[in-house]
Amino acid sequence: DQQVKQNSPSLSVQEGRISILNCDYTNSMFDYFLWYKKYPAEGPTFLISISSIKDKNEDGRFTVFLNKSAKHLSLHIVPSQPGDSAVYFCAASARTGNQFYFGTGTSLTVIP
Amino acid sequence: SAVISQKPSRDICQRGTSLTIQCQVDSQVTMMFWYRQQPGQSLTLIATANQGSEATYESGFVIDKFPISRPNLTFSTLTVSNMSPEDSSIYLCSVTRSAETQYFGPGTRLLVL
Repeated sequence: DQQVKQNSPSLSVQEGRISILNCDYTNSMFDYFLWYKKYPAEGPTFLISISSIKDKNEDGRFTVFLNKSAKHLSLHIVPSQPGDSAVYFCAASARTGNQFYFGTGTSLTVIP
Repeated sequence: SAVISQKPSRDICQRGTSLTIQCQVDSQVTMMFWYRQQPGQSLTLIATANQGSEATYESGFVIDKFPISRPNLTFSTLTVSNMSPEDSSIYLCSVTRSAETQYFGPGTRLLVL
């Protein structure tokens, strides 16, 4: 059973516009969420995280929003750049454990 | 952060053979993990590699199929045994330094014919 879901397998955005990647989870015990970025032939790279005590975390062009009641988080990239083209995975964990649960990824293409 | 290397980066193997994947970290870490990413799928945890004791396997994965070694705090191996085409996947090693972030190696891309 997939506990973390990314329902959009792909997304295309024009350079300079906002990219919004969505993620839903089912386990109410999750209290820590991360976004990873993956280029082809490389391992996932940590991008940004958010704890359940917050509803927003911002780092430069990247902002993650968390809606606990909806069990939904999103990653906003603005402005989008061609170098942002990659597969983005969201992941969730319960701090009491060590396991991270990953979504299936969303392939973002930023068109110049 | 952590610098993680994996060997081999890719391989093509025949059905019925075994492949051992190595993971080396640039500094000592407590937790090391092995993941699999099958085509179009999410990253699935295979097992946690424990130093000095047997690995802890997730549901659906067994030691006979995926034996793991963890001889010290910077190194681990994962063996994919008696391979079949269904084992074609990317295998990723990861480590944690805290409960908050996992760092991944570059992955080993395996194709079984």
